[in-house]
Amino acid sequence: GDSVTQMEGPVTLSEEAFLTINCTYTATGYPSLFWYVQYPGEGLQLLLKATKADDKGSNKGFEATYRKETTSFHLEKGSVQVSDSAVYFCALRVWGAQKLVFGQGTRLTINP
Amino acid sequence: NAGVTQTPKFQVLKTGQSMTLQCAQDMNHEYMSWYRQDPGMGLRLIHYSVGAGITDQGEVPNGYNVSRSTTEDFPLRLLSAAPSQTSVYFCASSTGPNTGELFFGEGSRLTVL
Repeated sequence: GDSVTQMEGPVTLSEEAFLTINCTYTATGYPSLFWYVQYPGEGLQLLLKATKADDKGSNKGFEATYRKETTSFHLEKGSVQVSDSAVYFCALRVWGAQKLVFGQGTRLTINP
Repeated sequence: NAGVTQTPKFQVLKTGQSMTLQCAQDMNHEYMSWYRQDPGMGLRLIHYSVGAGITDQGEVPNGYNVSRSTTEDFPLRLLSAAPSQTSVYFCASSTGPNTGELFFGEGSRLTVL
């Protein structure tokens, strides 16, 4: 079946550090890939997405590249801020499937 | 800009009680869904609907019922609450099942004693 695996959390970094959150997937078809972010006390919101191999999604300084050869979609940011503290979810959707499949989430805390 | 509205935000139930989590969206989205979020398990799909009058099961449907009488509303019913249903519940909607971008409500935290 389809599945998403994220790196274990929690992750704690200092402000201005470089961030990588790993995400790998298995899919029965050709998936679109997503990163969602959940700020404290809020619902999830879409951060970025990529719909085909080698596409790079980007938003708010975050980037992720769809790597079909390694089945990965790692999230990166060059310089994190305290306001980036949140839970990050990697997700996929295979065309024609009626649902998003989520990873388990990675809690990120940025210290000033 | 209401988006997706869930009520209540918090609820405590005793085992065996029933209740309904409400979800309403004002974006005229055809696709609506319910997820539950549990620590270390991400979000799991309970039920979904691709339009008024059409519902289907997700990966964890047992113990939950849904209906979709209007485009706007998609309530989730717990018929006889169990402690295993203690979770945070999210309603989400999108323009269609294949668009990918889901718009989420703020969640409903349910505790079953």
